[in-house]
Amino acid sequence: RKEVEQDPGPFNVPEGATVAFNCTYSNSASQSFFWYRQDCRKEPKLLMSVYSSGNEDGRFTAQLNRASQYISLLIRDSKLSDSATYLCVVRVETGANNLFFGTGTRLTVIP
Amino acid sequence: GAVVSQHPSWVICKSGTSVKIECRSLDFQATTMFWYRQFPKQSLMLMATSNEGSKATYEQGVEKDKFLINHASLTLSTLTVTSAHPEDSSFYICSARSIMGLAKNIQYFGAGTRLSVL
Repeated sequence: RKEVEQDPGPFNVPEGATVAFNCTYSNSASQSFFWYRQDCRKEPKLLMSVYSSGNEDGRFTAQLNRASQYISLLIRDSKLSDSATYLCVVRVETGANNLFFGTGTRLTVIP
Repeated sequence: GAVVSQHPSWVICKSGTSVKIECRSLDFQATTMFWYRQFPKQSLMLMATSNEGSKATYEQGVEKDKFLINHASLTLSTLTVTSAHPEDSSFYICSARSIMGLAKNIQYFGAGTRLSVL
């Protein structure tokens, strides 16, 4: 079983739409959660950390449900520049604390 | 903010060639650096964890004699793909974790190296 599972998409949405991505993780000992954004042929870049109480950064809202081991990302008022692959990332705080990446959900915002 | 520099960004080489990729943390110290590989339409897969001054820890299935890692200082780790073959063609990304300050424990990524072995 994969450490992190995501719906791969693709999601094709019009500008201004609201879109939500989901992610589940398998290790209940996971301590840190993130959403990264990866543009084509580029490195992943941290979009936002995900906190237990849920957190918002502008048009982006992240939620964490530890009981269900479920993470979500909501993007409101989609912009063309939001087109990218969104990676759900989990860190298990053992050993070297490395990160586990989901396969990513591809989003295309259409004019 | 913290920056990780990875070089080269793109390599095309003949089969059997060895390729060296450098990863530098530019404005912070990183006792631990990570090397990932990403095949098309797949997620990043951790290859190895590089610890300054000690041997790297390799993930299962990654050949340590083929992917040589050296982490000689707190700001530099290198990955050498020895005798590269077409199946080694991939996107290699390094990552460094800051050990102090406001950025402590945040993991930053290099821009990646696209390796194409002919």
